Amino acid sequence: ELKVEQNPLFLSMQEGKNYTIYCNYSTTSDRLYWYRQDPGKSLESLFVLLSNGAVKQEGRLMASLDTKARLSTLHITAAVHDLSATYFCAVDRKIIFGKGTRLHILP
Amino acid sequence: DAGITQSPRHKVTETGTPVTLRCHQTENHRYMYWYRQDPGHGLRLIHYSYGVKDTDKGEVSDGYSVSRSKTEDFLLTLESATSSQTSVYFCAIQGSYNSPLHFGNGTRLTVT
Repeated sequence: ELKVEQNPLFLSMQEGKNYTIYCNYSTTSDRLYWYRQDPGKSLESLFVLLSNGAVKQEGRLMASLDTKARLSTLHITAAVHDLSATYFCAVDRKIIFGKGTRLHILP
Repeated sequence: DAGITQSPRHKVTETGTPVTLRCHQTENHRYMYWYRQDPGHGLRLIHYSYGVKDTDKGEVSDGYSVSRSKTEDFLLTLESATSSQTSVYFCAIQGSYNSPLHFGNGTRLTVT
């Protein structure tokens, strides 16, 4: 049974700082998805990573995938308040989600 | 934005009553999914569909059934609602296996 673990589950950080969210999964998969959710809203797709070593960047967010380590990271560079949200990773054909990382960026 | 509509947006029902939630898409996407979202659990997959009349169970399928008789509609039914099924339900569509999911706006279901 596929398990998807994110850490940390909650992160409070200062504007301007860098940080990384980790997504570990338990079985082999060659695709991984990252989503953002604002409070009371639906989910918005950020990245789809389709192969080992894949790296994608959009603004201050960069995602990478290491299929051998079964690990994906979402790196935040010079955080700004607008990035405050909950971030989810999801894995595999059935698209199983982690529990999410609630990110709070202090101005 | 992908054309996906969930109905109703909010529903309050009593324990033991049947409930059907509808997901309608205008994108002709092959894959459709139902998730529930609860605090502390993230999103959990209930059922999914690979095409018309082609469905399969997800992580938390007990107490739920689905039907997909047309490409554009994916119905989620709670045969006899229980208070533990109080949740926010999201439908999602996906055009191909390599593309992202697009989510509907969700249905907030309260079972009293």
